[in-house]
Amino acid sequence: QVQLKESGPGLVQPSETLSLTCTVSGFSLTSYNVHWVRQPPGKGLEWMGVMWSGGSTDYNSALKSRLSISRDTSKNQVFLKMNSLQSEDTTTYYCARENYSGSFDYWGQGVMVTVSS
Amino acid sequence: DIQMTQSPASLSASLEEIVTITCQASQNIGNWLAWYQQKPGKSPQLLIYGTTSLADGVPSRFSGSRSGTQYSLKISRLQVEDIGIYYCQQASSTPTFGGGTKLELK
Repeated sequence: QVQLKESGPGLVQPSETLSLTCTVSGFSLTSYNVHWVRQPPGKGLEWMGVMWSGGSTDYNSALKSRLSISRDTSKNQVFLKMNSLQSEDTTTYYCARENYSGSFDYWGQGVMVTVSS
Repeated sequence: DIQMTQSPASLSASLEEIVTITCQASQNIGNWLAWYQQKPGKSPQLLIYGTTSLADGVPSRFSGSRSGTQYSLKISRLQVEDIGIYYCQQASSTPTFGGGTKLELK
């Protein structure tokens, strides 16, 4: 069955770089787009960026200068790297699969990241 | 970016009541609109895609509609398991979400 699972550190120092991995199963990264979405505690959802099935990427313009998304199709993994982390980047990060209508039909369970010294 | 203005921000309703949540798009997004339900501590779950299509396993009491650039999610007979936060999302361009509607039991 389709599954996505985020992994990464729970705590990151201010100004450091966050590295997250989304490991997927039950579908191919070359057939589906995978997005990253984040959600601060008690707040709404913010789209961060996408790894298109063809291998290109797009980013939220507000995060573009700090964000990089890549993948390893042989390992069924999509990676997120974001630098210069600040306290406002303390949030839960989700990866999600896009279906053919542009909506997100499967989500990972999310990984909570705290930015603190 | 396309803005999605969702209302109300919170809503209190009784069991079996009809509930309606709306999202106003800042420009034409056609039928590229989805709705999600999120429960505390859980990931969002897709309810409706393409404005009106029910996702797999979603009860038929949920429905979606559109009038111009205003989109609505209707719950025909509120059940206790429907309590949570609801979000709309446009997929016409780079995705954006509405601010959310917190649905509580009266």
